[in-house]
Amino acid sequence: GAVVSQHPSWVICKSGTSVKIECRSLDFQATTMFWYRQFPKQSLMLMATSNEGSKATYEQGVEKDKFLINHASLTLSTLTVTSAHPEDSSFYICSAISQTGKRYEQYFGPGTRLTVT
Amino acid sequence: DQQVKQNSPSLSVQEGRISILNCDYTNSMFDYFLWYKKYPAEGPTFLISISSIKDKNEDGRFTVFLNKSAKHLSLHIVPSQPGDSAVYFCAASPNTGNQFYFGTGTSLTVIP
Repeated sequence: GAVVSQHPSWVICKSGTSVKIECRSLDFQATTMFWYRQFPKQSLMLMATSNEGSKATYEQGVEKDKFLINHASLTLSTLTVTSAHPEDSSFYICSAISQTGKRYEQYFGPGTRLTVT
Repeated sequence: DQQVKQNSPSLSVQEGRISILNCDYTNSMFDYFLWYKKYPAEGPTFLISISSIKDKNEDGRFTVFLNKSAKHLSLHIVPSQPGDSAVYFCAASPNTGNQFYFGTGTSLTVIP
C-alpha cells in the first residue's frame, strides 16, 4: 500500500522556539493532506486540511498563525508550530489522500511526538 | 457535530474470543467505511473497508458488517489475540469529495 512518512518522529524543543514537521507521500501524489493531533488517551483531532498550491483550511479553534501549514508540492506538506509552549506538546499525525478513479483512500504517517520544555 | 460515533470507549475480551467493535453514523451520504488500528505513539494503520453496496467484507480474522438502514457498522475480530490490543477507529467518507470523518475510537484490550 501507499506509504506516508513523517520527520522527525520525535522532537524536543524549548518554549518560544518553532518546530517544523514534514509529511511526505513516498509513492503517490497527494493533492490533499490532513494534520491531526492526538492527546493521551483521546481521539484524533483534525487540525487542518492542507491542499497543494493553496491555503490550508483550519478547523474551528485551531490557530492558523500558530500552526503554519505549507503544502508546497504534491508529495510534501509541512506543519510549523510557532512559538511553541508546553501545552503544544502532543502527538501530531499527518495523512495523505490517494485517489484511484473516483475513490479516495487515506493513508497515515507514523506520527511525530513533540515535547516542549 | 459528531457524524461518526463509537459509543464504547473501551472493550476487554479474553484471548480466543470474539471482539465486536461498533460504530454508528448519521450522514446518509456516507458510502465508504473504514476501520483503522492504532498503537500508542504510532499513526493509524488501515485495517479493512467496506463499500455501501456490500453488507459484509471479510479479511482473515477481521470482518466488517454494514447495516445501512440502521446506519451502523461493526468490526468483528475472531479469534482475538493479545496483539490486537490497540485503539480502533472507524471512519466514513461521502460519495463526493475526499473528506473522511472519524469516530472517537475504542480501546480494545485482549487478555491473555
